[in-house]
Amino acid sequence: EVQLVESGGGLVQPGGSLTLSCVASGFTFSSYEMNWVRQAPGKGLEWVSSISSSGRTIYYADSVKGRFTISRDNAKNSLYLQMNSLRAEDTAVYYCAREVITVTMRRYFDNWGQGTLVTVSS
Amino acid sequence: DIQLTQSPSFLSASVGDRVTISCRASQGITSYLAWYQQKPGRAPKLLIYAASTLQSGVPSRFSGSGSGTEFTLTISSLQPEDFATYYCQQLNSYPRTFGQGTKVEIK
Repeated sequence: EVQLVESGGGLVQPGGSLTLSCVASGFTFSSYEMNWVRQAPGKGLEWVSSISSSGRTIYYADSVKGRFTISRDNAKNSLYLQMNSLRAEDTAVYYCAREVITVTMRRYFDNWGQGTLVTVSS
Repeated sequence: DIQLTQSPSFLSASVGDRVTISCRASQGITSYLAWYQQKPGRAPKLLIYAASTLQSGVPSRFSGSGSGTEFTLTISSLQPEDFATYYCQQLNSYPRTFGQGTKVEIK
């Protein structure tokens, strides 16, 4: 069974830093692109960042570029999100999600973690 | 960036109703579109990918159609467990974007 378990959320002051982790199990982690998606309280879904299976190709949303860093450790089946210079508007539940790429190059997020809440407030 | 606009944003329906949700892309995305269902306090769940392919285990009352810029999610006969918020997502290019969501509530 595929499982994604996020951790590391909590309360942090504006300007502070936090690192989120997502531990994967039940599949060959090193074969999949991974993503972070967030959801502010009462709001919709916002894609944050993607990392290729090797870790060599990375993309960010403009809203977090220069402040957040995505990384992975395939030996530890783990995905990370280093978040610096946090702002009130970064307050959200952060989900990690596995991205599937089919043989016909169709893509989708088929498995999601349960999410971890980050609250940025003084 | 590709913008996705869902309509309606809110929908009130009864059990057994046929429900249709639209998703319009600001530029062509061929069929790189997925639909997700989210219930309060839960992670999103994949329903449809490649615009019209039903994810394994998802009931056949859910269907998707469209290509290019116009897409539709249809629930043929709404069931009590279908009351939730639905999101479309484009995976044609980065940044990945989601529609703003359609909340389906009980009439």
